[in-house]
Amino acid sequence: EVQLVESGGGLVQPGESLRLSCAVSGFSVSTNYMTWVRQAPGKGLEWVSVIYSADNTDYTDSVKGRFTISRDNSKNTVYLHMSSLRAEDTAVYYCARDHRFGGYDEAFDIWGQGTMVTVSS
Amino acid sequence: EIVLTQSPGTLSLSPGERATLSCRPSQSVGTSYLAWYQQKPGQAPRLLIYGASSRATGIPDRFSGSWSGTDFTLSISRLEPEDFAVYYCQQYGSSITFGGGTKVEIK
Repeated sequence: EVQLVESGGGLVQPGESLRLSCAVSGFSVSTNYMTWVRQAPGKGLEWVSVIYSADNTDYTDSVKGRFTISRDNSKNTVYLHMSSLRAEDTAVYYCARDHRFGGYDEAFDIWGQGTMVTVSS
Repeated sequence: EIVLTQSPGTLSLSPGERATLSCRPSQSVGTSYLAWYQQKPGQAPRLLIYGASSRATGIPDRFSGSWSGTDFTLSISRLEPEDFAVYYCQQYGSSITFGGGTKVEIK
């Protein structure tokens, strides 16, 4: 069964760090692009970061220098290490597979259920 | 950054009616890089359409995507009760951005 399960969310204070995990089953993270998307309470979706199969990474501007995406192929898990957290980082964080459908068509086709991160003093 | 403007913000319709949702990019986006997602309360988003017009696996054929010039459209031919949700467009042509969403609510 194809499944993504996020974990690691919680309540932290501003300036602290947190590491989110996305455990994948049903396909290999080593040969797929994986991404993180977040959603602040009552707001829309915001793309956060992506890791490509060659370990190249990209980030939205607001998290550059603070967040790091990585993966452990042996555990088939993707991580999002978040540091210097701010109140505006409060959101549900979703892990998703960034899938190439052939040609240039691309979209996020499999999603986890999300993990909540709250940054507050 | 490419900004995607979705309209209307809210669409009030009855089951059985047709829904037409718009997504307008601030700059040109290739059709390969435009997707639509559905999100219900408390759930993760679900991919509906990729490549502007291709339905994802398991998506009913009442959902269709199209484009005209630079504007993209998601159409739902006959609304079923389970279709009332929020819909987001997404572009992948220049970095990755989502539109602000259109809520389709029961009239």
